[in-house]
Order: sequence, then C-alpha cells, then structure tokens
Amino acid sequence: RKEVEQDPGPFNVPEGATVAFNCTYSNSASQSFFWYRQDCRKEPKLLMSVYSSGNEDGRFTAQLNRASQYISLLIRDSKLSDSATYLCVVSKGGGKLIFGQGTELSVKP
Amino acid sequence: GAGVSQSPSNKVTEKGKDVELRCDPISGHTALYWYRQRLGQGLEFLIYFQGNSAPDKSGLPSDRFSAERTGESVSTLTIQRTQQEDSAVYLCASSLLAGKLQETQYFGPGTRLLVL
Repeated sequence: RKEVEQDPGPFNVPEGATVAFNCTYSNSASQSFFWYRQDCRKEPKLLMSVYSSGNEDGRFTAQLNRASQYISLLIRDSKLSDSATYLCVVSKGGGKLIFGQGTELSVKP
Repeated sequence: GAGVSQSPSNKVTEKGKDVELRCDPISGHTALYWYRQRLGQGLEFLIYFQGNSAPDKSGLPSDRFSAERTGESVSTLTIQRTQQEDSAVYLCASSLLAGKLQETQYFGPGTRLLVL
C-alpha cells in the first residue's frame, strides 16, 4: 500500500465548477501536510499547507482529518488556469516529503 | 532572487554509462533535497542534506546512486552504470531549514534523464 494515496484522475470539469480532491495517508506519525500543484513538464510548486483547523486561500479550501488520516482540497469557481496535476504531500518531519501520485485536473471552457 | 537551478536540463545517455546531475539551491537555504519522478508517477524522495549533518540517504534506490554537497551550496547526484529504469526527471529542492513543520521546499526545473 502506498503511503499517500489520491483519487485517480483525470477530473474533467467545466469552468465555474466546484471540484474536490481526496487523499489518504497511512502513517499516523505524519506531522505536516501540503497540496502542491504541478503543471505539465514543470516542477511542483506549493499551493497551500494544510492545517488541523482547515484553511482557506481564496477559491481553495484544504481540510485535514487526523483521526481518519484524510486530507482534502476543494476548488470553487474553477478557472481554465487551474488545469494541472494536484499532488497531496505529507511529512513526518525531518524534511522528507512523501508525495501522492497526483490527480490531474482539466478545466474546460 | 534566483530560484533553484539544475543542469543539464536534459540528458540522454547509454545504458552502463555514469551520469552526474547538478543542483544549485537558493542562496541561504541550508537544506537540499533530491527527488525522482518517473513518467506519470508522483515524486520519490532520494536523499536530503541539512547543513553539516549526515545526509538522510534512506531513499536512494541502490548503491549505484550517490550524492554530495559542498557546504551549503551546490550538490551533485551521480548515477553509476545507468539502467533504463533510471530514466526519469530528477528534481532538486531547497528550503531554509529541514525539519521545521510546514517548511516550504522550492523545486528546480529538473533534469530529464533518458537511458537508452
């Protein structure tokens, strides 16, 4: 079983749609949680950290459920520019990041 | 300021040859990381360096892989006797510190390695 598992993609949605990505992690010792975004043939870039209380950044909302070892990302009012692969990432501390395989999002006009 | 840079951007080599990949981290970042990303897969951790501490090599897939870092600057990842399964994008990242919760890692553009 992979340490970090994500919804299989791709997700194809129209502009303006709300889309949710889910992620589960297997190691209960995980301490830090992130969503990264990776555009085609580009490097990953941090989208947002995920805090225990949940956090929001504009159209993006991230939630963490430690008891269920579950992380989510909600994108509201999706834009064409949101098309990318979204990577769920966890860390046990010490700097080493464990990445999920990513979920591809394609937003269509 | 300048981000993480990597060279070469692309490398094609023959099976059995050695290759050396280079990473220049963001100036002032004490932590440096190497990851590998195979086609259609997520990133796999390989190794990280934090200041003068012993590197965490727990992700290196075999003894053909090694990495060095000079102080808190340049790092090189060496793959000896390359195999076709080594074909991947090798990504380097740096951060101000390692181990601090929620510490952001900044990635370089990667080196695309193709082993024929």
